[in-house]
Amino acid sequence: KNQVEQSPQSLIILEGKNCTLQCNYTVSPFSNLRWYKQDTGRGPVSLTIMTFSENTKSNGRYTATLDADTKQSSLHITASQLSDSASYICVVSAYPPGNKLVFGAGTILRVKS
Amino acid sequence: DAGVIQSPRHEVTEMGQEVTLRCKPISGHNSLFWYRQTMMRGLELLIYFNNNVPIDDSGMPEDRFSAKMPNASFSTLKIQPSEPRDSAVYFCASSSAGGPDYEQYFGPGTRLTVT
Repeated sequence: KNQVEQSPQSLIILEGKNCTLQCNYTVSPFSNLRWYKQDTGRGPVSLTIMTFSENTKSNGRYTATLDADTKQSSLHITASQLSDSASYICVVSAYPPGNKLVFGAGTILRVKS
Repeated sequence: DAGVIQSPRHEVTEMGQEVTLRCKPISGHNSLFWYRQTMMRGLELLIYFNNNVPIDDSGMPEDRFSAKMPNASFSTLKIQPSEPRDSAVYFCASSSAGGPDYEQYFGPGTRLTVT
């Protein structure tokens, strides 16, 4: 069964600290994996999209990694800011392109001052 | 660019009533997606259109739900009759490429409450 599991479910960190969010998936065959950031009361915003041949992709202070062999991805946030407080959703797409997306439940991150 | 526009932003209705949610995609985008988000089930893709044609509606929960895209700049998601379990936030997203594999831009969502 195609599944995407994210951990931790929620996380609280101090402003300025780094953190890493995890995403494990069983979707096969794999097409791409994306990370979304969703602020409270808003729609998700894409942070990164990675295909199986990419193992790292950065977007400012956000760096996503992908290990297609172990079917794991992580999202690393550097020097966290209060504005990073949001839900982070991992989404995996199966091959061939156009197949239904499989969504993780998300990690809720709260950055405290 | 105004981004994806959804209306209404909030809708409260009574069980059994018809509900129509509206979406205007980003100009020039040829793919449109409808999602539902709840605390219990997270984000779910309901249906997507490519060039105004429904491609995959396997996520539509049941026959009470229907979606149309009469032209490239407008889509509706209708629930008739509505039920309390339909309460959720409904997002519309659009993309400049076909299918769900490409970058999607989400609207602000419509929060639906069915009492």
